[in-house]
Amino acid sequence: AQTVTQSQPEMSVQEAETVTLSCTYDTSESDYYLFWYKQPPSRQMILVIRQEAYKQQNATENRFSVNFQKAAKSFSLKISDSQLGDAAMYFCALSGGYQKVTFGIGTKLQVIP
Amino acid sequence: DTAVSQTPKYLVTQMGNDKSIKCEQNLGHDTMYWYKQDSKKFLKIMFSYNNKELIINETVPNRFSPKSPDKAHLNLHINSLELGDSAVYFCASSQGSVSYEQYFGPGTRLTVT
Repeated sequence: AQTVTQSQPEMSVQEAETVTLSCTYDTSESDYYLFWYKQPPSRQMILVIRQEAYKQQNATENRFSVNFQKAAKSFSLKISDSQLGDAAMYFCALSGGYQKVTFGIGTKLQVIP
Repeated sequence: DTAVSQTPKYLVTQMGNDKSIKCEQNLGHDTMYWYKQDSKKFLKIMFSYNNKELIINETVPNRFSPKSPDKAHLNLHINSLELGDSAVYFCASSQGSVSYEQYFGPGTRLTVT
């Protein structure tokens, strides 16, 4: 079985500041992939960033980057220069085994103007 | 062009009724999913189909029956609706491998009264 844990139900950040969302996971698979998805109030789930477990280099997408610690099974998301449009639920997800995807419970991010 | 579409977006019905939610993707993906998101935003996979074949069938009541007439469609039929079925149901698709991101539909908010 694979699990994904997001220990921060809610976070807040001042506009233009940096915030880090935590995610830990557990899996018995040797080949797996990790994702962060964003769900704004519109309800639409959107991919933020993707990390291959076999890659040591941390993924980066513009203002979004991850800190992937494979040994610690940690996969945190850093959002730099936070913008009002970043306010959303953020879900960490683990994909491993045959099309098995597990989502964390989400972290609600509030951006304060 | 909408990549993954669901109809209807909102569904209000009474207990005991039978209802269906339709999903279509125009991305050429061969894997499709149904997720249930409860009131606490927890996202849980229900079913996964690959090339019209059922791959994942999580612990879901038999009242829920997915049907995939072709690779581009995955419909969800729910019999004898219960209050606890009230949730947002998301359809998603992916390229088929665990390494690929999932593209989500806009969700269907089901309210059972």
